[in-house]
Amino acid sequence: EVQLLESGGGLVQPGGSLRLSCAASGFTFSDYAMSWVRQAPGKGLEWVSVVHSVGGSTKYADSVKGRFTISRDNSKNALYLQMNSLRAEDTAVYYCAKEARGSGTWELDYWGQGTLVTVSS
Amino acid sequence: DIQMTQSPSTLSASVGDRVIITCRASQSVSSWLAWYQQKAGKAPKLLIYQASTLQSGVPSRFSGSGSETEFTLTISSLQPDDFATYFCQQYGTYSRTFGQGTKVEIK
Repeated sequence: EVQLLESGGGLVQPGGSLRLSCAASGFTFSDYAMSWVRQAPGKGLEWVSVVHSVGGSTKYADSVKGRFTISRDNSKNALYLQMNSLRAEDTAVYYCAKEARGSGTWELDYWGQGTLVTVSS
Repeated sequence: DIQMTQSPSTLSASVGDRVIITCRASQSVSSWLAWYQQKAGKAPKLLIYQASTLQSGVPSRFSGSGSETEFTLTISSLQPDDFATYFCQQYGTYSRTFGQGTKVEIK
């Protein structure tokens, strides 16, 4: 059974940093691309970033480019999102999601339960 | 970025009703379109991918159709477990974008 478990969310001041983690199990983690998707309270879904399985190439939404960094550790079956220069508009539940393939752009076939990030003074 | 527009935003329906949700893309995404179901406080769940392929384990009352810029999600006979919010998502470009969601409520 595929399981994705996010952690690391919490309350942070504007301009601060936070690192999210996602522990994956139930599939060969190194074979699949992984994404982060966020959802502001009461709002829709916004794709944030993807890291591919092969070569680890990355892509970002314009709204987080230059502030967020996605990475993965295939030896630990772990996905990360380093978030710097946080803004109030980054407040959201952040979901870790598995892509259906290793590279390219695909549907998100499994999602974690999410971790809440609140940016406020 | 490709904009995705869903209609309606809210839909009131009864158990047994046929429900149709529409998703329009601002430019062609070929068939790179997925549908997700999200219940309150839960993560989204993949229902349909590549516009019309049913994800494993999803009931056959769900179906998807369309291509290029016009897509539909149909629930043939609404069940109590189907009251939720539904999102479309294009993945024709790396900057995947979601529709704003359609909330299916009990009439």
